[in-house]
Amino acid sequence: GQNIDQPTEMTATEGAIVQINCTYQTSGFNGLFWYQQHAGEAPTFLSYNVLDGLEEKGRFSSFLSRSKGYSYLLLKELQMKDSASYLCAVLLGGNNRLAFGKGNQVVVIP
Amino acid sequence: DAGVIQSPRHEVTEMGQEVTLRCKPISGHNSLFWYRQTMMRGLELLIYFNNNVPIDDSGMPEDRFSAKMPNASFSTLKIQPSEPRDSAVYFCASSHSSAQSYGYTFGSGTRLTVV
Repeated sequence: GQNIDQPTEMTATEGAIVQINCTYQTSGFNGLFWYQQHAGEAPTFLSYNVLDGLEEKGRFSSFLSRSKGYSYLLLKELQMKDSASYLCAVLLGGNNRLAFGKGNQVVVIP
Repeated sequence: DAGVIQSPRHEVTEMGQEVTLRCKPISGHNSLFWYRQTMMRGLELLIYFNNNVPIDDSGMPEDRFSAKMPNASFSTLKIQPSEPRDSAVYFCASSHSSAQSYGYTFGSGTRLTVV
């Protein structure tokens, strides 16, 4: 089976930095995705990592360590609109299949 | 492109009734996925298609669930008979198998309530 773990919820202050962790144990690995999902909406793509290291994209950065089965998403200069669930997903081998964690609910307060 | 289009957005039905959810993937995408999302279990993959062919339906809960993809631009997920425990948000997503780094594009989902 696939095991993708994320903390369930965190609260952070507007303007701060927050790190969302994800650990995984999966049968096969072809990359790791982060998605953002606002309440009542569809998940939307944030980032993709397939090699170890940090990928930076504006206020969002994502890190991957394949040997440790670990990734994190870093959100800088938090804004109120960043309040959402952040989903970690592993692209499994074979047929382009994504397995998702349950998501980390981030609440941004003024 | 209008993105992945799902219908209906909301469905309320009585236990025992048949429910049909519809999905139109992004033109040119050759992979289509049906997911179910609940608070308890998160996003669960039900079934996916590659070039209109079902590849893995091991996530389909039981025989009451069936899915079809008669052509590259349309798929259905049917529940017959529906039960209250089927209440969830059902997402359809599509992607291109040769562009894996772009991930999936999700539709807006169908919120199903079975009473």
